[in-house]
Amino acid sequence: IAGITQAPTSQILAAGRRMTLRCTQDMRHNAMYWYRQDLGLGLRLIHYSNTAGTTGKGEVPDGYSVSRANTDDFPLTLASAVPSQTSVYFCASSEIAGAGDTQYFGPGTRLTVL
Amino acid sequence: GQNIDQPTEMTATEGAIVQINCTYQTSGFNGLFWYQQHAGEAPTFLSYNVLDGLEEKGRFSSFLSRSKGYSYLHLKELQMKDSASYLCAVRDSDYKLSFGAGTTVTVRA
Repeated sequence: IAGITQAPTSQILAAGRRMTLRCTQDMRHNAMYWYRQDLGLGLRLIHYSNTAGTTGKGEVPDGYSVSRANTDDFPLTLASAVPSQTSVYFCASSEIAGAGDTQYFGPGTRLTVL
Repeated sequence: GQNIDQPTEMTATEGAIVQINCTYQTSGFNGLFWYQQHAGEAPTFLSYNVLDGLEEKGRFSSFLSRSKGYSYLHLKELQMKDSASYLCAVRDSDYKLSFGAGTTVTVRA
């Protein structure tokens, strides 16, 4: 079934540890996005990639990094996790990064940093 | 930055209607989206408006007034499965989506 997969589903992490959240899509979408969702704040954009080989910063990029080596994969790395990064992380993709283009979301990763 | 406001919670009875309002102030405008999100699940696309007026999709319809910075999502013939959070999102001049905090709709029997 075509779509977006994320791994892990959930993770408990000690503060200071490095963690990579994985995201893979098989729809050959050009644009991919990482959001975090916190109660009362809604979805906030962390990083995005309009096409393979390019990335950009969103609203809340500090403490996170991304790479886009190919069309399908868009991993999100927390170099040294802090408790404020406890959140639900959603990866999304869209065919293009343009007007009217719909974003499709993965199932999410629930991350707890202790 | 973006400012997108929608009510936190709404409750309605099965078979009735509910209208969720969304007001926005953004740097540029390239469309407004509504997403549905059931608890513990991913957001799923419901509707898209870029021109003023009403878009209808079965039991759901969405309205946009660009001059007023206003949209609403209208749900009719409510079913229990419509209990979910509804997210209003605006695409800005850089084609990035900014989301409101979401409106939790509870449908009661």
